[in-house]
Amino acid sequence: AQSVAQPEDQVNVAEGNPLTVKCTYSVSGNPYLFWYVQYPNRGLQFLLKYITGDNLVKGSYGFEAEFNKSQTSFHLKKPSALVSDSALYFCALNTGFQKLVFGTGTRLLVSP
Amino acid sequence: DAGITQSPRHKVTETGTPVTLRCHQTENHRYMYWYRQDPGHGLRLIHYSYGVKDTDKGEVSDGYSVSRSKTEDFLLTLESATSSQTSVYFCAISESSEQPQHFGDGTRLSIL
Repeated sequence: AQSVAQPEDQVNVAEGNPLTVKCTYSVSGNPYLFWYVQYPNRGLQFLLKYITGDNLVKGSYGFEAEFNKSQTSFHLKKPSALVSDSALYFCALNTGFQKLVFGTGTRLLVSP
Repeated sequence: DAGITQSPRHKVTETGTPVTLRCHQTENHRYMYWYRQDPGHGLRLIHYSYGVKDTDKGEVSDGYSVSRSKTEDFLLTLESATSSQTSVYFCAISESSEQPQHFGDGTRLSIL
């Protein structure tokens, strides 16, 4: 079955420190992977995507993600966290037929 | 922000009543989706549409129906609401599987 997993319900980091939010995937064929962020009472906002090409993908708000085929991972990273980065983050995998499957989400808390 | 409007934004209703949620887009995107978001489950696909009058089931379609009579409108109907359908419902649109989905701000539905 095609799926994504976000092993951490919550990640805590101090402002200014690097952050990583983990995602692993399972897919037959080449993966199309996405990261989204959700702020309270809002819909999901697109951050970045991996379709093919460079394993390091740069996205919005200073975020980047590293695609690792051998480890079937697509971890979200940022070199220096901001308090305003505190939100709920979702990894998603395109399963074909125009459909996405989402991870269960990771809450990021950045402390001042 | 992508032009997606969900209505209503909040609704409280009673078990057994019919409920219709509306998603309206101004982007002329081909694909439209309905998801529900529940704690611990992330987002789960209910139904999606790949064109006018072309729809298909998602992961959690039981108890839900959809209709798309115009490109810009995608309706989600709960024929006879149950308490298990209390959730936050999100509409999304996209141009293709390689492009990200863009989300509305959601409808919070409570069924008592």
